[in-house]
Amino acid sequence: DGGITQSPKYLFRKEGQNVTLSCEQNLNHDAMYWYRQDPGQGLRLIYYSQIVNDFQKGDIAEGYSVSREKKESFPLTVTSAQKNPTAFYLCASSPTQDQPQHFGDGTRLSIL
Amino acid sequence: GENVEQHPSTLSVQEGDSAVIKCTYSDSASNYFPWYKQELGKRPQLIIDIRSNVGEKKDQRIAVTLNKTAKHFSLHITETQPEDSAVYFCAARVSGNTPLVFGKGTRLSVIA
Repeated sequence: DGGITQSPKYLFRKEGQNVTLSCEQNLNHDAMYWYRQDPGQGLRLIYYSQIVNDFQKGDIAEGYSVSREKKESFPLTVTSAQKNPTAFYLCASSPTQDQPQHFGDGTRLSIL
Repeated sequence: GENVEQHPSTLSVQEGDSAVIKCTYSDSASNYFPWYKQELGKRPQLIIDIRSNVGEKKDQRIAVTLNKTAKHFSLHITETQPEDSAVYFCAARVSGNTPLVFGKGTRLSVIA
């Protein structure tokens, strides 16, 4: 779905470094989400936002932060407090939280 | 909160046979149940969904059934083809402002 763009596709983090993953959508969706995907663990919700300037913690928010200053953008920062950040990160959006989600292509984060 | 269990974690079938993946959920108030397909290295894509006021929904070779009393729902794929090989995720959501909760996924392999 070309309406959701995640960048970069691959990202490497040094120990003690914060990194920010970008997620942009041009679908005019109100709701946006960040998931972490590990082998055998499915999709685990990190943060979600139902509307601009508002967001809530998901199941595994520790070590992560987000902002939602614009409707089309929902960046995720992986902080140095996240001790095991190596994973595949997926961003999604939906018109409202009650409607189907559309996913981006993901960002694979690795530790150097 | 909601909890979704998905079985089996891996499934191998011969081309042309049927495949069935089952999910159970814990919150009887859940009312929306989507299924996503994720091919290797790609984004999850919605393939079918069902709401709690419907017991079954079909789309060509794919069908989903819902048993609200038993709190389980299943994905049925008939006449499987090699391109059906992927990881399939079920999810459930309680009505209101709660986000989707995903199962851990089923890796389906269709053997030609």
